[in-house]
Amino acid sequence: EVQLVESGGGLVQPGGSLRLSCEASGFIFSTYSMTWARQAPGKGLEWLSHISGSGSTIYYADSVKGRFTISRDNAKNSLYLQMNSLRAEDTAVYYCARVVTMNYYFDYWGQGTLVTVSS
Amino acid sequence: IQMTQSPSSLSASVGDRVTITCRASQSISTSLNWYQQKPGKAPKLLVYAASTLPSGVPSRFSSSGSGTDFTLTISSLQPEDFATYYCQQTYNAPWTFGQGTKVEIK
Repeated sequence: EVQLVESGGGLVQPGGSLRLSCEASGFIFSTYSMTWARQAPGKGLEWLSHISGSGSTIYYADSVKGRFTISRDNAKNSLYLQMNSLRAEDTAVYYCARVVTMNYYFDYWGQGTLVTVSS
Repeated sequence: IQMTQSPSSLSASVGDRVTITCRASQSISTSLNWYQQKPGKAPKLLVYAASTLPSGVPSRFSSSGSGTDFTLTISSLQPEDFATYYCQQTYNAPWTFGQGTKVEIK
């Protein structure tokens, strides 16, 4: 059974940093691209970043480019999102998801982790 | 690429036929996915590549379209279908979602 479990969310002050993790199980992690998306309270979904299975191809949304860094450790079946220079508007539930690159869709999602940026 | 869904919300009764539209700001071929999200839950994949239903998605859901205009149809709305639906383009990064369509009980 495919499982994705995010962790690392919490309360952080504006300008601060946080590192989110997503632990994967139930599939061969290194063979799948992975992605991060978020959802601000009461708002819609926003795609943030994508990383290929090898880590060689990475994309970012403009809203986080230069502040957030996606990475993965295939030996640990884990995906990461390093978030720096956090702003109040980064407050959201952050989801990781598995990407099927045949047609580029997100077939499995984690349960999400809440990040609150506030002083 | 901007994705625009209509309507933003709708009220319907169990058994109704419901149609949600999604328009892309430029042609995206068939690189269009639909997700269903219930309150407090993660999104769930409903349709990929504009018209393909993943295993386990009920056949009352259908989707069509190509280029810039797409539709998601629920042929006979069931109680478990009350949720928010999002379209998403994966033609070009940054991959973008529509703003969502909330389907509420009438």
